[in-house]
Amino acid sequence: DVKVTQSSRYLVKRTGEKVFLECVQDMDHENMFWYRQDPGLGLRLIYFSYDVKMKEKGDIPEGYSVSREKKERFSLILESASTNQTSMYLCASSVRGGSTDTQYFGPGTRLTVL
Amino acid sequence: QKEVEQDPGPLSVPEGAIVSLNCTYSNSAFQYFMWYRQYSRKGPELLMYTYSSGNKEDGRFTAQVDKSSKYISLFIRDSQPSDSATYLCAMSRNTNAGKSTFGDGTTLTVKP
Repeated sequence: DVKVTQSSRYLVKRTGEKVFLECVQDMDHENMFWYRQDPGLGLRLIYFSYDVKMKEKGDIPEGYSVSREKKERFSLILESASTNQTSMYLCASSVRGGSTDTQYFGPGTRLTVL
Repeated sequence: QKEVEQDPGPLSVPEGAIVSLNCTYSNSAFQYFMWYRQYSRKGPELLMYTYSSGNKEDGRFTAQVDKSSKYISLFIRDSQPSDSATYLCAMSRNTNAGKSTFGDGTTLTVKP
């Protein structure tokens, strides 16, 4: 069974803090993704990575950065957290070039920025 | 305009009803079509996957793709309270890209 884990289920931070969200997958997947999910806005892609040290901007990268130093680990960084970054953050991974394009999601981190 | 539009819901049905969940899309390059189910406070998980046009059945679930109309549907027969969740459609061009485009989700409640 593919397992995607995220470092925290719930996180409360203050405006201006630097926030690190970490994601680890155990299935040797090439692709990893960070989304945020908000009511009425659905899943929005922040960044994705298709290999170690590779990253590409998604639809809403502003205010975020990412790091992928190891294949299994993909970190999302909020350089200076703001209240409009309060959201559910979901990490996912997938195989590149497989027979399907299934993404496997972690349980999510609910981040509140005060 | 979004590439993928999903019927917004919410949808509330009695137990045993047939449920139809629908998405339309604008990009004719999409070839892979997925339905994810997301229970409250959990991440989405893949429910059904189809390639190109046609139907696919898995137990009480049937996924239907009509590429000519750019329309996909998920049917749930004999719906159960355990089917209560948010359902997200997703589409992608090819597996090498690795990127899927998601609908906003439809929240379904099945009442006993």
